Amino acid sequence: GENVEQHPSTLSVQEGDSAVIKCTYSDSASNYFPWYKQELGKRPQLIIDIRSNVGEKKDQRIAVTLNKTAKHFSLHITETQPEDSAVYFCAATPYSGGGADGLTFGKGTHLIIQP
Amino acid sequence: NAGVTQTPKFQVLKTGQSMTLQCAQDMNHNSMYWYRQDPGMGLRLIYYSASEGTTDKGEVPNGYNVSRLNKREFSLRLESAAPSQTSVYFCASSATASAYGYTFGSGTRLTVV
Repeated sequence: GENVEQHPSTLSVQEGDSAVIKCTYSDSASNYFPWYKQELGKRPQLIIDIRSNVGEKKDQRIAVTLNKTAKHFSLHITETQPEDSAVYFCAATPYSGGGADGLTFGKGTHLIIQP
Repeated sequence: NAGVTQTPKFQVLKTGQSMTLQCAQDMNHNSMYWYRQDPGMGLRLIYYSASEGTTDKGEVPNGYNVSRLNKREFSLRLESAAPSQTSVYFCASSATASAYGYTFGSGTRLTVV
């Protein structure tokens, strides 16, 4: 099955600086890569996703890049703000088009924005 | 439009007791999932249901059973709870397969003593 590694486990940045979280995956058939944000005591919420036919996707201060050859993808947050403090999870799955294989998640990155 | 609703929100069980976690979605999604979340372990898939009438094991199915009652509802049962099953359980649904982002429920915090 798929295995997703996520680094770092904790990331502390100054407010206004950029943050980068990296993930690698093992299954070359994986073609859908979402990122989730989870605030303390809350449910994970989808913030951005990318499919394998796209190399980069941007949504305001958030961007995701994908390198299928190297089997890694990254989340970039620019101009960080206090409300960006949360745990971020990457995930991957091969989209079979028929059954649901289930997302495989990384172990999470605790992002801390220092004032 | 409630999205994904989980009950209960909190539960304390004694070792050996049984219980069922309920999950319902009102988005007409085909696929539903149960995950458990433990500190430092991320989210691990317990069982999933690609569509009404089908269920499959995920990464950590031992000690659990599921029922896809209809398109809306997907329940998770612990037949004989163990302390190792102390965790936060999340139900999620997606429109079809895994090509679309999941919508998660608010979670159930389960403690087995």
